[in-house]
Amino acid sequence: GAVVSQHPSRVICKSGTSVKIECRSLDFQATTMFWYRQFPKKSLMLMATSNEGSKATYEQGVEKDKFLINHASLTLSTLTVTSAHPEDSSFYICSARPTDSDYGYTFGSGTRLTVV
Amino acid sequence: GQNIDQPTEMTATEGAIVQINCTYQTSGFNGLFWYQQHAGEAPTFLSYNVLDGLEEKGRFSSFLSRSKGYSYLLLKELQMKDSASYLCAVMDSNYQLIWGAGTKLIIKP
Repeated sequence: GAVVSQHPSRVICKSGTSVKIECRSLDFQATTMFWYRQFPKKSLMLMATSNEGSKATYEQGVEKDKFLINHASLTLSTLTVTSAHPEDSSFYICSARPTDSDYGYTFGSGTRLTVV
Repeated sequence: GQNIDQPTEMTATEGAIVQINCTYQTSGFNGLFWYQQHAGEAPTFLSYNVLDGLEEKGRFSSFLSRSKGYSYLLLKELQMKDSASYLCAVMDSNYQLIWGAGTKLIIKP
């Protein structure tokens, strides 16, 4: 089946530093990947749609300069949280949808970011 | 606005059956998804409905009524490992996923 690999799974960083999260589709090509954020006991919130070879599409209220997205190849998208603050601490999840997946979106394993 | 409603929490007994409801109001409809999410983990795909009716997959079934803006996920022969959150999501006319807040299902022995 389709697999999306995401790492790191957990990261602790100091305020003011930047953190890069990688999302790879291992056995399929993904022209589009999605980045979500989830707070405890809350629903998934779409942050941005990553498009291979072009600029990402950000949801309203998401700072483009703070959450940098790069989708340089058909199998890799990265999310960089720049100048992280404690309020950026959250669970970040990427997903993609293989074209033959019966419409099921496949999710990465998620990244638990803690900013101290 | 767009809205997905599902109960916050449900409790059921091991071996029993439970039905988790989801109602939605979205701008357009291109399918409804159910996902299972264990605490601290990413969601995993359970089912997709785009036409009215019941889709059965082993112990799990999902039902859709587009005219009523309603779906349910039916879990049979409940096992302790079924304790998780169940997320309902609708794909709108722009092919964006609108997520419900999830239903936390607690299974008791």
